[in-house]
Amino acid sequence: GQQVMQIPQYQHVQEGEDFTTYCNSSTTLSNIQWYKQRPGGHPVFLIQLVKSGEVKKQKRLTFQFGEAKKNSSLHITATQTTDVGTYFCAANTGTASKLTFGTGTRLQVTL
Amino acid sequence: EPEVTQTPSHQVTQMGQEVILRCVPISNHLYFYWYRQILGQKVEFLVSFYNNEISEKSEIFDDQFSVERPDGSNFTLKIRSTKLEDSAMYFCASNRGHSNTEAFFGQGTRLTVV
Repeated sequence: GQQVMQIPQYQHVQEGEDFTTYCNSSTTLSNIQWYKQRPGGHPVFLIQLVKSGEVKKQKRLTFQFGEAKKNSSLHITATQTTDVGTYFCAANTGTASKLTFGTGTRLQVTL
Repeated sequence: EPEVTQTPSHQVTQMGQEVILRCVPISNHLYFYWYRQILGQKVEFLVSFYNNEISEKSEIFDDQFSVERPDGSNFTLKIRSTKLEDSAMYFCASNRGHSNTEAFFGQGTRLTVV
């Protein structure tokens, strides 16, 4: 079945440092979505990428979708303590309505 | 802002008992989902529901599980004869359309089977 892996599994940064998480799929994706889950919370939608090579920005967050539509990345510039949480990529392939979540990257930010 | 609501927030049950987890999706959404997250792990798809029937289900969603939309607003997940390994956070989600639309997740129900 569909496999979506993320690296790293965990990252601890000092506030102000940058952070990147990478998402890789075993198959071509129709789209990729990114969600953030705060500790003890629920997944909250951040963004969706659909086109090959697409790049989108949300303030300090930059999202990319690979040319082959098999990988994606999320980069956070100058992390803040409010960025703490687990970042998941999630994909649906073809016409499937379900989301297949990646393994997640847990981000810890300290002062 | 509309949101998906889930009750209860926490349920403790004895092994072998039946539990019903409840969800109220966002009112104009058409697709409803249940996902499960075992502590510290990724979010796993269980089942999707559209037009009053299951549209897709995972291998996890076996005969122990069932879903229902008993009225125009509620969406329930029933787990019969719970097992210890059913302990997890269960999230309900909904969205307006099929793929390519964002999913809105509820706050979750933490199920603890003892």
